[in-house]
Amino acid sequence: GAGVSQSPSNKVTEKGKDVELRCDPISGHTALYWYRQSLGQGLEFLIYFQGNSAPDKSGLPSDRFSAERTGGSVSTLTIQRTQQEDSAVYLCASSLVDSPGQPQHFGDGTRLSIL
Amino acid sequence: SQQGEEDPQALSIQEGENATMNCSYKTSINNLQWYRQNSGRGLVHLILIRSNEREKHSGRLRVTLDTSKKSSSLLITASRAADTASYFCATGNAGGTSYGKLTFGQGTILTVHP
Repeated sequence: GAGVSQSPSNKVTEKGKDVELRCDPISGHTALYWYRQSLGQGLEFLIYFQGNSAPDKSGLPSDRFSAERTGGSVSTLTIQRTQQEDSAVYLCASSLVDSPGQPQHFGDGTRLSIL
Repeated sequence: SQQGEEDPQALSIQEGENATMNCSYKTSINNLQWYRQNSGRGLVHLILIRSNEREKHSGRLRVTLDTSKKSSSLLITASRAADTASYFCATGNAGGTSYGKLTFGQGTILTVHP
């Protein structure tokens, strides 16, 4: 079946612009996660959604970052007024439910470059 | 912040040899997972070991967990060139919520030469 789909695969934009990154999880998966992967910081948790519960936003690095998940399916990560330090690969993952030990299924990420 | 520390950071071996990667962590965990990432791709789940388990096998993979030392190891036996990738350990939250909030190690880059 279809895996986690992310778009765009690459995004180049100028500093100060806003960007939107999209994630389409595996159908039926109730939990959705965003991570950021950069050379200096490794893989960092950003935010996660579980069903209709309030999202865990504890990993968002600043108030320029926000995310939403509409209809319990597709999610959009928005970065406002981008900075060069936002350059990274943004990975989305989903899992069937939010319970201990559920494997997460990752998309191939969006590589974001801020000029 | 990164909880897991992995060593070695890079490992280069010949096809057919075994590869061992280690991971250490700092806080109490519910489970520990290993993921693999090919260049330019997302992570792929390999194996999970729960905090009450000490060893687990899956095909050519063997994972051990020592909760007293807060460490885990991943052994890949009879390596193949196709095993070339980065390998990450990830720990699951031991708290009562946010089970899926994984904390990843820095990763080991494995290169298997044909």
